[in-house]
Parts: sequence; structure tokens; C-alpha cells
Amino acid sequence: EDQVTQSPEALRLQEGESSSLNCSYTVSGLRGLFWYRQDPGKGPEFLFTLYSAGEEKEKERLKATLTKKESFLHITAPKPEDSATYLCAVQAGAAGNKLTFGGGTRVLVKP
Amino acid sequence: DADVTQTPRNRITKTGKRIMLECSQTKGHDRMYWYRQDPGLGLRLIYYSFDVKDINKGEISDGYSVSRQAQAKFSLSLESAIPNQTALYFCAVQGTINQPQHFGDGTRLSIL
Repeated sequence: EDQVTQSPEALRLQEGESSSLNCSYTVSGLRGLFWYRQDPGKGPEFLFTLYSAGEEKEKERLKATLTKKESFLHITAPKPEDSATYLCAVQAGAAGNKLTFGGGTRVLVKP
Repeated sequence: DADVTQTPRNRITKTGKRIMLECSQTKGHDRMYWYRQDPGLGLRLIYYSFDVKDINKGEISDGYSVSRQAQAKFSLSLESAIPNQTALYFCAVQGTINQPQHFGDGTRLSIL
């Protein structure tokens, strides 16, 4: 069974204080790893897809990396508007139709 | 994402009632999904559909049913609602199998 674990569950940062979120996964045949951002009262908003170990993607202050067992979402010099819950999900297996989500990391950036 | 619209946004109802949640999309994608989100449990797949004639159960389909009325419309029904079905419900759409899923803004459902 595919498993995805995110840590920490919650993260409080001062504005400008860089940090990393972790997503550990156990799957059979990874097809893709997805990062989403979710704001209160909203649906998950797509950020990145990573397909193979060593791949990196960047968008503004966010950078996602992938190894064979985990992915990191690095937040560089965060601003209060980066406050959100960040979700990691994997798509795996021959069917490849199911996303398995982690529990998310709630990030609060204080000015 | 305005391309995926869910109605209603909020619903409070009583145990035993039949409820329908609706999802419509303007992205023209064939793949559509229903998830529920509970605190601490993340998003879990209820049902999914790859075209109008294709319906598949997800990991937590008991107590739910779906209807794919058209390529753009995918409805989720709770035939006889129970309190532990109180949750946030999200619809998602996807183009091809390796593309990301795009989510609507959800329905907050409370069953008393």
C-alpha cells in the first residue's frame, strides 16, 4: 500500500526565515510526486510535479526536490503570504490513477 | 480554480437525508475525481471516472454513489447521510494520467 508522510505537521516561521518541509513516501512504481498549496476555505492549488530522483522545480520562493524516498519543499525568505497548508501527493503503480496524499504541513509566517 | 465549480459550497443537513453534491468543469478533461478531506487524515479518494461510461470506486466508496451525467458534470450522492460523513468534499479534474489534478473549492458538509 502506498504511504505518504509529511513532517512537520506545523511550522511557525518569522518572515525571512528559510526552512524545509519533508514528504517521505513508500510506493511501488512512482509515476509522479505532486506538491499543492491549500488556503483556508479553498481547494488545493497545484505547485509542482516531480517525476524522477534528482529533479528540481522552482517557483518564486519555493523549490521542490526529489530523491528515491522523499521530497523536500524549500521555502526561501518566506513572506506572510506564503502561510498555507502544503500538501504532498504521489501517483504510483500500473493504474496510476490514484493520488495518495500526505496529511499536510501547516505553515505560518509571521511578519 | 474557477474552471472547476462545486455546488453547494456549504450544506447542513440531518441524519438519514439524501444529499447530492455537484461538480462541473470547463477544462474539457475526461478524468474526474471525488475526495473527502478530514483533519489529520488528508484527502481520500471516494470515486473517479475516466469518461461518461466509466465509474470506479476509490478507497472509501461505502455510503456514497456517483453519476457522470456528461463529460463536464460529475455528481456525488449520499443516499442516507450519517454524522461521520461530515467533512470537506473536493472534486478534481485531470487531463492525461501524468498531469496534475486540479481541484474545486470544495463543499463543507455537516450532518447533524
